Amino acid sequence: GQQLNQSPQSMFIQEGEDVSMNCTSSSIFNTWLWYKQDPGEGPVLLIALYKAGELTSNGRLTAQFGITRKDSFLNISASIPSDVGIYFCAGLGRGSTLGRLYFGRGTQLTVWP
Amino acid sequence: GAGVSQSPSNKVTEKGKDVELRCDPISGHTALYWYRQSLGQGLEFLIYFQGNSAPDKSGLPSDRFSAERTGGSVSTLTIQRTQQEDSAVYLCASSLGVTVWDTQYFGPGTRLTVL
Repeated sequence: GQQLNQSPQSMFIQEGEDVSMNCTSSSIFNTWLWYKQDPGEGPVLLIALYKAGELTSNGRLTAQFGITRKDSFLNISASIPSDVGIYFCAGLGRGSTLGRLYFGRGTQLTVWP
Repeated sequence: GAGVSQSPSNKVTEKGKDVELRCDPISGHTALYWYRQSLGQGLEFLIYFQGNSAPDKSGLPSDRFSAERTGGSVSTLTIQRTQQEDSAVYLCASSLGVTVWDTQYFGPGTRLTVL
């Protein structure tokens, strides 16, 4: 199956610092997504990317869709305590697998006050 | 409006027993998805429904797993003869349709523990 490699696995940062995480794939995706999961909850969509090279922002979050369509990164600027959680990248299947999301293993973010 | 709901929130069962997990999607959403999240892992796709039919059930790990959806709404994921490796959080999601523009909204999950 299609594998998404997400790094780093975990991050421990101080409040106010910027964060960067990335995701690579062995296969091409036409749609990349970034989700955040809080404890005991399901993932919530943060940003969706639909075009290679696209750079999209959502408040303090910025994500980019790689030109090769095999990678994406997410940046969080000026982190705050409520940014704590697990961040997942996901690629949306195409053709016969449209609808299926392929997830990375997640980046656990801890923010120290 | 109400989001995706799942029940039970936690289920502890003995190895070999059957379990049923329920998902109530957002009203009006035609697509419904099941994913499994094992400890420290990303989400693994199991099956999705468009209406009451399942165009893609290739993610089901074995024939002990089955799912159905009735009335284009509620879905049930059934695991027969549970094994310890079935222990995981089972997440359900729904979306308005199945296009690249349709966001999948997730429920809180059912945590299954097989003893």
